Amino acid sequence: GAVVSQHPSWVICKSGTSVKIECRSLDFQATTMFWYRQFPKQSLMLMATSNEGSKATYEQGVEKDKFLINHASLTLSTLTVTSAHPEDSSFYICSAPLAGSTDTQYFGPGTRLTVL
Amino acid sequence: EDKVVQSPLSLVVHEGDTVTLNCSYEVTNFRSLLWYKQEKKAPTFLFMLTSSGIEKKSGRLSSILDKKELFSILNITATQTGDSAVYLCAVIYGNKLVFGAGTILRVKS
Repeated sequence: GAVVSQHPSWVICKSGTSVKIECRSLDFQATTMFWYRQFPKQSLMLMATSNEGSKATYEQGVEKDKFLINHASLTLSTLTVTSAHPEDSSFYICSAPLAGSTDTQYFGPGTRLTVL
Repeated sequence: EDKVVQSPLSLVVHEGDTVTLNCSYEVTNFRSLLWYKQEKKAPTFLFMLTSSGIEKKSGRLSSILDKKELFSILNITATQTGDSAVYLCAVIYGNKLVFGAGTILRVKS
């Protein structure tokens, strides 16, 4: 099946620093990727849709200046959490649909962010 | 407000039991419904359903969609301890994907 990777798998940072999370589609191209966050014992919440070659589309309530998304190529999207605070601590997951099967989402393994 | 509701929220069964998980939705421009299994990390894909009444099967798991009554069920027969996980239902409508809260399944040996 299709493989999506994320890096890093976990990160601990100090409050005020910025953290970049990478999402890669390893064996297929993805013009669109999705970013989610998941708090403990809660479901996944869509944050934004990352579009290759254009601006990301953010969900209501998600600050685009805080969560910077760059979809630089057909296999890579990055999410940068800027000036991270403890309340940003969460599990961040990306997904990508297979070309020609836009509804079947393949998820990356997730990134656990802890902000001290 | 569009929403996806799963029930039950949690379930404890014994190995060998059969379980049925429910997912109901109220969305406009429905496209498809997906089921995922989530253990410790990211969700893994189980099924995608777009048409009513057509059962999808994979081993001991099966799922069906009812677009008239706006719900789907996920059945797991002869449950095993390895089936213990959170089962997530997600609905794609328009260009959005919204997850339900999930059902926590624990299978005891």
